Amino acid sequence: QVQLVESGGGLVKPGGSLRLSCAASGFTFRDYYMSWIRQAPGKGLEWVSYITSSSSSTNYADSVKGRFAISRDNAKNSLYLQMNSLRAEDTAVYYCARYSDHGSGSYYFDHWGQGTLVTVSS
Amino acid sequence: EIVLTQSPATLSLSPGERATLSCRASQSVSSYLAWYQQKPGQAPRLLIFDASNRALGIPARFSGSGSGTDFTLTISSLEPEDFAVYYCHQRSNWPLTFGGGTKVEI
Repeated sequence: QVQLVESGGGLVKPGGSLRLSCAASGFTFRDYYMSWIRQAPGKGLEWVSYITSSSSSTNYADSVKGRFAISRDNAKNSLYLQMNSLRAEDTAVYYCARYSDHGSGSYYFDHWGQGTLVTVSS
Repeated sequence: EIVLTQSPATLSLSPGERATLSCRASQSVSSYLAWYQQKPGQAPRLLIFDASNRALGIPARFSGSGSGTDFTLTISSLEPEDFAVYYCHQRSNWPLTFGGGTKVEI
């Protein structure tokens, strides 16, 4: 079955960096678009970034543009999020999610990991 | 950015009752809208995509309707496991956005 397992979260000081990883299994990772979505404590969902299957295209929320970078290694079935210049407002659970075509280019997040908590605090 | 406004914020119902959740978009998203369910401590789960299509394995008591700017998620008869937070999500325009959520509580 599809499994997505995030890692790399933790406590980091403002201005610091962190790299999140997401290990995928149970499906042909190289065939799927992937995304990162975050959820601040007690708050709603916020889309962060997405990457196509071949890494030919990426996109970011304005709130992270220029600070975060999404990448993937299809040989390792892994998705990454490099987070730099972290701010207190980046504190959240970060989920990786499979962004899947449900027909005619209709993409939605159909599988999610359990998330990894990033806390930005001095 | 397309803003999705969900109402009500909280819906207090009993098992067996019908739940009607609303999601309104700040501009048309056509039918490019999904609904997700999230239980405490868990990741969201896709329920409905393209406004009215149930995702794989989702029970028939969940249904979605609407197009343009107004959408509805209906749970025909609440089961105990349906008490959760529900989010709508649009993929019509970048950036992808989510609504603020509706909590369905007992």
